[in-house]
Amino acid sequence: TQLLEQSPQFLSIQEGENLTVYCNSSSVFSSLQWYRQEPGEGPVLLVTVVTGGEVKKLKRLTFQFGDARKDSSLHITAAQPGDTGLYLCAGSPTNDYKLSFGAGTTVTVRA
Amino acid sequence: DSGVTQTPKHLITATGQRVTLRCSPRSGDLSVYWYQQSLDQGLQFLIQYYNGEERAKGNILERFSAQQFPDLHSELNLSSLELGDSALYFCASSPTSGRANEQFFGPGTRLTVL
Repeated sequence: TQLLEQSPQFLSIQEGENLTVYCNSSSVFSSLQWYRQEPGEGPVLLVTVVTGGEVKKLKRLTFQFGDARKDSSLHITAAQPGDTGLYLCAGSPTNDYKLSFGAGTTVTVRA
Repeated sequence: DSGVTQTPKHLITATGQRVTLRCSPRSGDLSVYWYQQSLDQGLQFLIQYYNGEERAKGNILERFSAQQFPDLHSELNLSSLELGDSALYFCASSPTSGRANEQFFGPGTRLTVL
């Protein structure tokens, strides 16, 4: 059982459409991170959210941390083919130092 | 480029063999983490070292071991290799202060066991 559950597992959309990826847990996290990984490469850190209810924007990407710090979402507006990749959420529960990763959401944006 | 380097990029070996993967963290980072990524298991935390000492252990097999040297580079040793050990192995490093959980990943080593 994954500590962090991501949904959906796969997402395929047309260029210009919007998409949302979810990351949920029953545990409380001191912070959550989102990474993007392209095939054959290492994950790249996109953002860290720390405060419950926090919203961070990175160009067309919007990240939100749930009020109870148990969940997070990533919203991409007007997706482009360059957004294609595996999106991973990761976090350390407040009672554990180790970083746990979700299974990831594979996003494919078709031109 | 994250600043974390890993060698080799690819490694092909046979069952029963032993291999060593190498990682150099970003300049100034004292923590090094090792992960295994396979298609069916996702990204699994193996072990963490901080300034030369083991800090945390994850799902690391007894056949696997790691160490961090005084110059802070780290090596992951995999022995008695099995077909199921074929995977991508990533090293990551993190800042020593502030958001220490933010990790910066290397490009990975793809291990194929035949």
